[in-house]
Amino acid sequence: SYVLTQPPSVSVAPGQTAKIPCGGNNIESKTVHWYQQKPGQAPVLVVYDDSDRPSGIPERFSGSNSGNTATLIISRVEAGDEADYYCQVWDTTTDLSWVFGGGTKLTVL
Amino acid sequence: QITLKESGPTLVKPTQTLTLTCTFSGFSLTTSGVGVGWIRQPPGKALEWLALIYWNDHKRYSPSLKSRLTITKDTSKNQVVLIMTNVDPDDTATYFCAHEWTTVTTAFDYWGQGTLVTVSS
Repeated sequence: SYVLTQPPSVSVAPGQTAKIPCGGNNIESKTVHWYQQKPGQAPVLVVYDDSDRPSGIPERFSGSNSGNTATLIISRVEAGDEADYYCQVWDTTTDLSWVFGGGTKLTVL
Repeated sequence: QITLKESGPTLVKPTQTLTLTCTFSGFSLTTSGVGVGWIRQPPGKALEWLALIYWNDHKRYSPSLKSRLTITKDTSKNQVVLIMTNVDPDDTATYFCAHEWTTVTTAFDYWGQGTLVTVSS
């Protein structure tokens, strides 16, 4: 089955740019989605189809996907962005299934 | 406005069968391309996709759990049911249901609040 790899943690100072990677074999051939999850809450979709934003998500959230790495980019980071972030793809290589990465804890210093 | 809500037992004994219900509003599971999926999250751990059912009754299951899962829908009640057999303590998790519209994206764009299920004797 397809595997998505994320670093356990990323730290960034307020106002700076956070980049959260998601690694997968030839991930550029897939569409990647990103979710934000705060403690005790359900995940919220923040980026879909590599780089699109759902309605209501700030423009500070963006994404890219190239080679073996997709990246969630959060510009002008705020304290309220501190959360766990998960990447996800729809894998069609073996079984048709939805695969999540292991998650990255974003800490705002 | 799309909303989903999970319901079911909070405590289940090992070897028993777990039945969870997702009740939704704001969309129809008869609309082409629409699906409802189940995702779980053990305490302190990552999200894990379990199953999804489409408007046309096509079903998809996690390969690792396929033998233990059954997903069904009742369009008249706007409900999706997930059945998991032979549970054990490793199945302790918060279980979420979520909306997906394949025609637009394979992302889960709306999620329920989740329900915590503990497996313990």
